[in-house]
Amino acid sequence: NAGVTQTPKFRILKIGQSMTLQCTQDMNHNYMYWYRQDPGMGLKLIYYSVGAGITDKGEVPNGYNVSRSTTEDFPLRLELAAPSQTSVYFCASSGDRLPRNSPLHFGNGTRLTVT
Amino acid sequence: DAKTTQPNSMESNEEEPVHLPCNHSTISGTDYIHWYRQLPSQGPEYVIHGLTSNVNNRMASLAIAEDRKSSTLILHRATLRDAAVYYCILEEYGGSQGNLIFGKGTKLSVKP
Repeated sequence: NAGVTQTPKFRILKIGQSMTLQCTQDMNHNYMYWYRQDPGMGLKLIYYSVGAGITDKGEVPNGYNVSRSTTEDFPLRLELAAPSQTSVYFCASSGDRLPRNSPLHFGNGTRLTVT
Repeated sequence: DAKTTQPNSMESNEEEPVHLPCNHSTISGTDYIHWYRQLPSQGPEYVIHGLTSNVNNRMASLAIAEDRKSSTLILHRATLRDAAVYYCILEEYGGSQGNLIFGKGTKLSVKP
């Protein structure tokens, strides 16, 4: 039961570097989400996808890009890393648009530090 | 967005019941109440959800007030593994993208 898998678990970036956070799920879920969680805070939605080839912005999309070429994978790209992007990033998936019909399943996160 | 209010932190003793409160005075008649929890260094995990009636599952019970302006998550016998941040979240009917808004939640500590 792999569920939602995120890699890497930890990463340190220098300002201006780029990287891709990987997320894959094996539950055949159409809906996938990227959140960030700053220390002591709740989660904020960055981007989401309702199926392969379809993505849309969430609450805090600036500085990030996503793609969804397959049902399983939903990578998050940081092009020019900034200290404000230091956070823990969580990927989630769901089998339905409405959480009342299908709960969200989360990965264990990627802890990113930008210095 | 409909809002929820939870205490910042609570303490409990191992093997005793825990009642985690949540106020949602602006809830509308079609909003669902969800509870998720986040164990240390992990992503959130689903606990339970409901609309009007009380709900039970293997993890917890959800008691919803008759006027639906508050709810309580009940852990019947707390274990050390239940130490986590618990989020009470409203899912609004007709929400544009179905995502849930996670606030700061209640940090539950369990003492042996």
